[in-house]
Amino acid sequence: EVQLVESGGGLVQPGRSLRLSCTASGFTFGDYALSWVRQAPGKGLEWVGFIRSKTYGGTTEYAASVKGRFTISRDASKSIAYLQMNSLKTEDTAVYFCTRTAAYCGADCYGIWFDPWGQGTLVTVSS
Amino acid sequence: DIQMTQSPSYVSASVGDRVTITCRASQGISTWLAWFQQKPGKAPKLLIYAASSLESGVPSRFSGSGSGTDFTLTISGLQPEDFATYYCQQANSFPPSFGGGTKVDIK
Repeated sequence: EVQLVESGGGLVQPGRSLRLSCTASGFTFGDYALSWVRQAPGKGLEWVGFIRSKTYGGTTEYAASVKGRFTISRDASKSIAYLQMNSLKTEDTAVYFCTRTAAYCGADCYGIWFDPWGQGTLVTVSS
Repeated sequence: DIQMTQSPSYVSASVGDRVTITCRASQGISTWLAWFQQKPGKAPKLLIYAASSLESGVPSRFSGSGSGTDFTLTISGLQPEDFATYYCQQANSFPPSFGGGTKVDIK
């Protein structure tokens, strides 16, 4: 069974950092891209960022709202993806989901499908 | 960036009803569109991809159609477990974007 489990969420003060983890199982981790998607309380879904599979160089893409503050990385030996969040703002408060991503990537990527998703981890940014 | 607009944002329906949700993209995305179902406190679940392809295990009462800029999700014969919020997502290009959601509630 394909499974993704997020961890690392919690309460953090504005301006501080936090690292989330996404532990994957049930599939060949290196063959897939991974994304982070967040959902603020009572709001809709917002894509945060994406890391390509090893085949496509493991490069990353980010939403404008987090670019320069958030970094996604992956450790194939542990089947874990990370979301390093720096300079956190109150508007970053959300449940953060990790999702396996199927994408066709050349110069650009298309066919960006999110399936399955982890259960999410709550990040609260507040003083 | 591609903007996705869903309507309605809320629909009240009864068990057995046919429900249709629409999604419009701000530019053409061919059939690079997915639909998700989300229940309170749970992760989104992929229902349909490529505009009309049913994900494995999803009941056949769910169907999707459309191409270009206009898409629909239809639930034919609403069941109690279908009361949830539904989101569309464009898969055409970065950044991938979601519609604002449609909450399907019990009448």
